[in-house]
Amino acid sequence: GQQVQQSPTSLVLQEGENAELQCNFSTSLNSMQWFYQRPGGSLISVFYNPSGTKQSGRLTSTTVIKERRSSLHISSSQITDSGTYLCAMEQQQGTGSKLSFGKGAKLTVSP
Amino acid sequence: DAGVTQTPRHEVAEKGQTIILKCEPVSGHNDLFWYRQTKIQGLELLSYFRSKSLMEDGGAFKDRFKAEMLNSSFSTLKIQPTEPKDSAVYLCASSYRNYAEQFFGPGTRLTVL
Repeated sequence: GQQVQQSPTSLVLQEGENAELQCNFSTSLNSMQWFYQRPGGSLISVFYNPSGTKQSGRLTSTTVIKERRSSLHISSSQITDSGTYLCAMEQQQGTGSKLSFGKGAKLTVSP
Repeated sequence: DAGVTQTPRHEVAEKGQTIILKCEPVSGHNDLFWYRQTKIQGLELLSYFRSKSLMEDGGAFKDRFKAEMLNSSFSTLKIQPTEPKDSAVYLCASSYRNYAEQFFGPGTRLTVL
């Protein structure tokens, strides 16, 4: 089954509204990362967040490792925030680690 | 400092051809990853190298996919022979070490006819 569950899968906002994206993990994890992707574009790291709360401008990420969840809050959304947000969990893989990704949350911000 | 670079950006192949995708990680990064992204499956890990050693060989992708890392600054992903179902975006990523932030390249969009 899917190890990383994202919700919602899509979200439509009016410019200026806030967005809350959720990520839940079915297994224990060591850390997690949020990415942003435009259509046809590559993945841009938004937050590397092993635990706790991190803020960058209008974006805030909160990860609670014990509860196997993370959230991404976007305040005062702008049209340029439109795109897909993916979360990924980092797990032990042999002597290293690997990322397992969610399916993504498509955000559309309209004027 | 240059990020992860990938070439070519687009590739069109006939069924049965051999194609080679290239990746240069961020300088100084020890871990390199190859992923495939499709709308249906999302992002799937193909291969993972640590200090040029293969840590993950792709499981279901083993038979026609082969990733190599000849030196710390260059990796290739060979698909042989290609099939239409291989059409996807292939992404390369690198990180300084495990449990560290991963940085992605722009990807190669592969279309197999």
